[in-house]
Amino acid sequence: EPEVTQTPSHQVTQMGQEVILRCVPISNHLYFYWYRQILGQKVEFLVSFYNNEISEKSEIFDDQFSVERPDGSNFTLKIRSTKLEDSAMYFCASSEASRGLNEKLFFGSGTQLSVL
Amino acid sequence: AQSVSQHNHHVILSEAASLELGCNYSYGGTVNLFWYVQYPGQHLQLLLKYFSGDPLVKGIKGFEAEFIKSKFSFNLRKPSVQWSDTAEYFCAVMANTGGFKTIFGAGTRLFVKA
Repeated sequence: EPEVTQTPSHQVTQMGQEVILRCVPISNHLYFYWYRQILGQKVEFLVSFYNNEISEKSEIFDDQFSVERPDGSNFTLKIRSTKLEDSAMYFCASSEASRGLNEKLFFGSGTQLSVL
Repeated sequence: AQSVSQHNHHVILSEAASLELGCNYSYGGTVNLFWYVQYPGQHLQLLLKYFSGDPLVKGIKGFEAEFIKSKFSFNLRKPSVQWSDTAEYFCAVMANTGGFKTIFGAGTRLFVKA
């Protein structure tokens, strides 16, 4: 089965530094997403992306976050100035979403971000 | 705004016991409902989904869920669990908010004793 791939699997950074988390969605998918899961907490929606622009974003996705699809395959999440509370597992997901609501999400294996 | 609540954070069962995990959502419009599972050290993966039709849906590995619209519920069931069902289970709702945002519940950790 096709997979969403994420790199790196683990990222350690100093507070205040910029990080870029990378994702390669499934090739024929049209919608891309970022979610995060702080240890012991629920999976939280960050942002959805379609047709080269943000479709929807949560209140978590503030000005320090940005997403980009720099080429035909990669989908990145940038955190400009990391804070301790950004430490979490970040999941990329994609879906076909060509016919409306009934598309399932395919998740990557996640990037564990640790901010020191 | 939509939300999802799962009733149990931790469930411990013996093999062959029956399982029911509760899930309630709040959203007034059309929704699609999902159960995702995360086995230890693995990706989130889809267990089953409901988008229309028969409110009783069957998924992989013998799981099923029933959508009760009047109760805004989508409970997950399995008649006889196995040790390999040990995982975290997430109920999720996708509403037509324009961006196909999926909201997850807090998850239920199931531990099945062999």
